[in-house]
Amino acid sequence: EIVLTQSPGTLSLSLGERATLSCRASHSVSSSYLAWYQQKPGQAPRLLIYGASSRATGIPDRFSGSGSGTDFTLTISRLEPEDFAVYYCQQYGSSYTFGQGTKLEIK
Amino acid sequence: QVHLLESGGGVVQPGRSLRLSCAASGFNFNIYALYWVRQAPGKGLEWVAVISYDGDNKYYAGSVKGRFSISRDNSKNTLYLQMNSLRAEDTAVYYCARGLSGGYYTPFDYWGQGSLVTVS
Repeated sequence: EIVLTQSPGTLSLSLGERATLSCRASHSVSSSYLAWYQQKPGQAPRLLIYGASSRATGIPDRFSGSGSGTDFTLTISRLEPEDFAVYYCQQYGSSYTFGQGTKLEIK
Repeated sequence: QVHLLESGGGVVQPGRSLRLSCAASGFNFNIYALYWVRQAPGKGLEWVAVISYDGDNKYYAGSVKGRFSISRDNSKNTLYLQMNSLRAEDTAVYYCARGLSGGYYTPFDYWGQGSLVTVS
């Protein structure tokens, strides 16, 4: 099983700042089958990024993804109020596993 | 628009059974693999099961294999999860989800609102 480890566990930033979230895999993720989701309290997860760097439909361009192999990054260029949430990475190339999440909170 | 609506959750005693349903609308149900994902209270996401577009292929997480069974009725646009021999650690919100594309190597682009199952 591919284990995904996200860091940091919690990220405290201010509006307008840049957020960088990391996801490291225990084994190489085939064909960059890596996705990122955003989840707000009481809501279902929302797909942001798939294929490591492709934005899902309707996702603002301040969200971007990068990486390959075992190291992946989600970047939010300028934080808006609605961006404060929990973010999960997921690999879907070898069964399906999720990282433990990064909570992005307002500083 | 795509809509997924889970039902059937509730409180159940350990060792008992429960069946969740997920009614789908707004897309061609017959051509998509479908998934169940769960989230224990205050915890992260855990994939539970996947079923192919035609129901012929099914795969499970190790934590539920042999106890849970995924199925679908394409004539009713409905996905199911039969959960047997429930344990306290199965307590979670259960989401149904659709894959972005029809195959297995796909992220999940639409999710239901979730159905809470409490085993106690």
